[in-house]
Amino acid sequence: EAQVTQNPRYLITVTGKKLTVTCSQNMNHEYMSWYRQDPGLGLRQIYYSMNVEVTDKGDVPEGYKVSRKEKRNFPLILESPSPNQTSLYFCASSLNPPGGGYLDTQYFGPGTRLTVL
Amino acid sequence: AQSVAQPEDQVNVAEGNPLTVKCTYSVSGNPYLFWYVQYPNRGLQFLLKYITGDNLVKGSYGFEAEFNKSQTSFHLKKPSALVSDSALYFCAVRDVTASKYIFGTGTRLKVLA
Repeated sequence: EAQVTQNPRYLITVTGKKLTVTCSQNMNHEYMSWYRQDPGLGLRQIYYSMNVEVTDKGDVPEGYKVSRKEKRNFPLILESPSPNQTSLYFCASSLNPPGGGYLDTQYFGPGTRLTVL
Repeated sequence: AQSVAQPEDQVNVAEGNPLTVKCTYSVSGNPYLFWYVQYPNRGLQFLLKYITGDNLVKGSYGFEAEFNKSQTSFHLKKPSALVSDSALYFCAVRDVTASKYIFGTGTRLKVLA
């Protein structure tokens, strides 16, 4: 089944304790992206990746890191989490990056609810 | 700057009545627009998209959206609402200045039995 998976689905942690949220897609998609969803703010893009080893900042990258060593995986790393990073996080992928002649549908993972105490 | 706006935080509609969820956009160049739906504890699911051509776009689950260039709107519609349509709906636009999508703030649809 074509899907985007995220782990963990729920995480409660404390300020400053490094964590990684994994994201994996099995559709051979080029483009992957991380979003955070906050009430009243909708989805905001954190980072995106056009392809392996190509990543770039989205609208709210501060406090986050990503890597794209393999096409299928796009982990989100919080080196020193803070309470303002408490949020619902979504990973998404699409066959091609938005732009040029491409307008591919994004596929979203089920979300990771993170609480930083 | 590219943007989308969803002016209503919540829309309530009775089951069987038509529903409309509003979205307006501001883009330079041709707009490429999407609607996604988020059910409780689930990720976003694609409903439909507008690229070019017919102003009425048909999508999943009986939803459709009307593109109106003069009003810069892309409202989501359904002729007869179901209780199971209750969810959070997001409008999105492709940002032509960067390889990304911009999402609205979301509209919660509540269909009352």
